Amino acid sequence: QLQLQESGPGLVKPSETLSLTCTVSGGSISSSSYYWGWIRQPPGKGLEWIGSIYYSGSTYYNPSLKSRVTISVDTSKNQFSLKLSSVTAADTAVYYCARHRDGAFDIWGQGTMVTVSS
Amino acid sequence: QSVLTQPPSASGTPGQRVTISCSGSSSNIGSNTVNWYQQLPGTAPKLLIYSNNQRPSGVPDRFSGSKSGTSASLAISGLQSEDEADYYCAAWDDSLNVLFGGGTKLTVL
Repeated sequence: QLQLQESGPGLVKPSETLSLTCTVSGGSISSSSYYWGWIRQPPGKGLEWIGSIYYSGSTYYNPSLKSRVTISVDTSKNQFSLKLSSVTAADTAVYYCARHRDGAFDIWGQGTMVTVSS
Repeated sequence: QSVLTQPPSASGTPGQRVTISCSGSSSNIGSNTVNWYQQLPGTAPKLLIYSNNQRPSGVPDRFSGSKSGTSASLAISGLQSEDEADYYCAAWDDSLNVLFGGGTKLTVL
């Protein structure tokens, strides 16, 4: 069955760029029916959608993060990636990747904790 | 402050029926479908209800969703101890942004 797995550094310094990759296994990221998204959850808080990408490369981002976010896709590796620039402590969170269609995130990665600290 | 408003907490005793509300506006819930997620402690969220009232395969029929106007509700009947979790509603808005509610912590007394 389809699985998603996040990977990347668990610690990022303030003002630097957070970079995460989501590897899709058990299925193709090039499926025409689905988008692929990033969601984060600060400790003890709720969920926040960061942005999503289609396999063709078309993207859409949360307006509150748009100026700092880049999401890209590598269909040859069955991966999509997140870059968040100029991070601060407020970006400390568990970051999830997930598959979605019509806004419903039906398959999620296990999540990866990223701490922003010097 | 989330655009979709949920009560921060809810509770019930085993066997009871509980409902969790989600209030939005004409530009989100009013014109798009609502999804619900269950997040057990320390785990990733799980899709519980999609397209207002559809259950993914494997979700018990104790869970049901509904939508009316700019509000939606999740109902859990025959409450069980394993239902203790955080529940989130979510919907698109008209600009194709995905909005989440602030979450409701359900306690089974």
